[in-house]
Amino acid sequence: DAGVIQSPRHEVTEMGQEVTLRCKPISGHDYLFWYRQTMMRGLELLIYFNNNVPIDDSGMPEDRFSAKMPNASFSTLKIQPSEPRDSAVYFCASRRGTVSYNEQFFGPGTRLTVL
Amino acid sequence: AQSVTQLGSHVSVSEGALVLLRCNYSSSVPPYLFWYVQYPNQGLQLLLKYTTGATLVKGINGFEAEFKKSETSFHLTKPSAHMSDAAEYFCAVSGGGTSYGKLTFGQGTILTVHP
Repeated sequence: DAGVIQSPRHEVTEMGQEVTLRCKPISGHDYLFWYRQTMMRGLELLIYFNNNVPIDDSGMPEDRFSAKMPNASFSTLKIQPSEPRDSAVYFCASRRGTVSYNEQFFGPGTRLTVL
Repeated sequence: AQSVTQLGSHVSVSEGALVLLRCNYSSSVPPYLFWYVQYPNQGLQLLLKYTTGATLVKGINGFEAEFKKSETSFHLTKPSAHMSDAAEYFCAVSGGGTSYGKLTFGQGTILTVHP
């Protein structure tokens, strides 16, 4: 299996620009999670989907952030407009099944730098 | 609500010494507990998990953890540290109620192994 795939691996952009992060979950996994990791706040859950439907977006910091999952193989996290405080590593993870102790498999992350 | 506290953001040991990383949790329901490891510039990888049953859980790379309900702890140990164990370790809890399906992570502990 290819594992969770994220692109790009690194993104450098200027404040005010739109940023789109992409994720391809493991085939057959029906849960998808977006996390943000920073030194100050650690690892935070932003949003998660079940069968392409957003279940909990309470971790999304503000309206500048949006996430979609148009099909079982693809999800995007968009920031518009971006700000320097959005600089972080963004992880996507996927999981099979409704049992909450099933393992979440993490992608390699996207390191975002907003200048 | 659920939470995780990892005692010590940095732990340093000598190669061959005992590794002990501390984790305490708070959960209103019987928890599922996890330890993940993150190597530099990589995503998180599951080391081990506790669901139900045996309270001593063995994981990959010689690590194990013991669930102690009375102490609300899930400390991670390894009898003999190896240089390759140097990484950041995250304890996480998954529970029921409004937190069902979500992992809540601790702040992480960076393990350094000296020759």
